[in-house]
Amino acid sequence: AQSVTQPDIHITVSEGASLELRCNYSYGATPYLFWYVQSPGQGLQLLLKYFSGDTLVQGIKGFEAEFKRSQSSFNLRKPSVHWSDAAEYFCAVVGEAAGNKLTFGGGTRVLVKP
Amino acid sequence: DAGITQSPRHKVTETGTPVTLRCHQTENHRYMYWYRQDPGHGLRLIHYSYGVKDTDKGEVSDGYSVSRSKTEDFLLTLESATSSQTSVYFCASRSGQGGTGELFFGEGSRLTVL
Repeated sequence: AQSVTQPDIHITVSEGASLELRCNYSYGATPYLFWYVQSPGQGLQLLLKYFSGDTLVQGIKGFEAEFKRSQSSFNLRKPSVHWSDAAEYFCAVVGEAAGNKLTFGGGTRVLVKP
Repeated sequence: DAGITQSPRHKVTETGTPVTLRCHQTENHRYMYWYRQDPGHGLRLIHYSYGVKDTDKGEVSDGYSVSRSKTEDFLLTLESATSSQTSVYFCASRSGQGGTGELFFGEGSRLTVL
């Protein structure tokens, strides 16, 4: 069965500093991987996705993620964090089954210090 | 963003009462999903639908049922609510085939079972 682990429950970062969020997945075949962001009281918005090809994926809001098959990881990065990046971030993997069921990690809450 | 609305957005009910949450989408998406979100667990799939009157269980389906009589509506029913079903419920929808489609989320329904 597929699974996703986000080791960091909370991360605090200063505005302007770099950010990296970790994601490790378990899946037997080539995974389809996603990062979603959730602002307080809101639904989830897709930041970026990886299906195949270039292992460095660019997303919205200046985020990028790198797929590393050897490490079963799909870490999210941003070079310079803005106060508006304070949110909860979810990594997800989809398995090739009817319905495109996404399995989510437990999430990482990001706090941004002024 | 896809037009997905959930109702009600907030509900407080008592143990043992039935509850129905409604998800309505205006995008003519084939696939629809219900997730629940709980601290530390990310989002867990309850049920999903891959067409009108076609539904299947997710990982946490016990105590829940769904119905989809029209493309645009996906109902989640708790026949007899329990305190363990206190959660935030998200509906999502997707178009297309295969395992690569993006999910679009509603803004969530917060359910409290006393």
